[in-house]
Amino acid sequence: EVQLLESGGGLVLPGGSLRLSCVASGLSFSNYAMSWVRQAPGKGLEWVSAMSGDAGTTYYADSVRGRFTISRVNSQNTLYLQMNSLTAEDTAVYYCAKIDLLWYFDNWGQGTPVTVSS
Amino acid sequence: QAVLTQPSSLSASPGASASLTCTLRSGIDVGTYRIYWYQQKPGSPPQYLLRYKSDSDKQRGSGVPRRFSGSKDASANAGILLISGLQSEDEADYYCMIWHNSAWVFGGGTKLTV
Repeated sequence: EVQLLESGGGLVLPGGSLRLSCVASGLSFSNYAMSWVRQAPGKGLEWVSAMSGDAGTTYYADSVRGRFTISRVNSQNTLYLQMNSLTAEDTAVYYCAKIDLLWYFDNWGQGTPVTVSS
Repeated sequence: QAVLTQPSSLSASPGASASLTCTLRSGIDVGTYRIYWYQQKPGSPPQYLLRYKSDSDKQRGSGVPRRFSGSKDASANAGILLISGLQSEDEADYYCMIWHNSAWVFGGGTKLTV
């Protein structure tokens, strides 16, 4: 059974930084692309970023490109999201998601909340 | 105009059927896309329901009941999630999604009340 466990969320000041982590188990981690998807309070889902299994290809939503950086350490089954220059609009629950070979999100973590506020 | 548009809410009675639509922006042809559907209940992450591109390219997620099915309405340029035999447990938010221009795009979601 695939399990994804996010951590690193919390309260951060506007303009600050935060790094999220997602530890995966129950899968051959390096075989799968992984992604971050967020959900602002009371709002819908918004895709944020994704990375191929070999870390050679990255994708970013326009809303975060240049501020967020996705990375992974396959030997540790861990996905990261470095978030810089945070604004109130980045306040959300951030989900880690595994990308199926047919290019959709088939497994999700429980999410980690991020609040950007002074 | 949003890439994917979903009605914000829909209400249906237990035992009835509900048809949830996901309309693609003009100029984006629904026929060329796989449309993915997710269900999300309060306090939980989304769960994959199914994908639909055509009758020969479709898949229901593991453990998803057969009363959940997908289709398309080409004339409306829309994907459809059909839920038959509605049960109280189907009350949730439903999101459609496509892979478009090297990005995943979600619809705004439909809150289904049973």
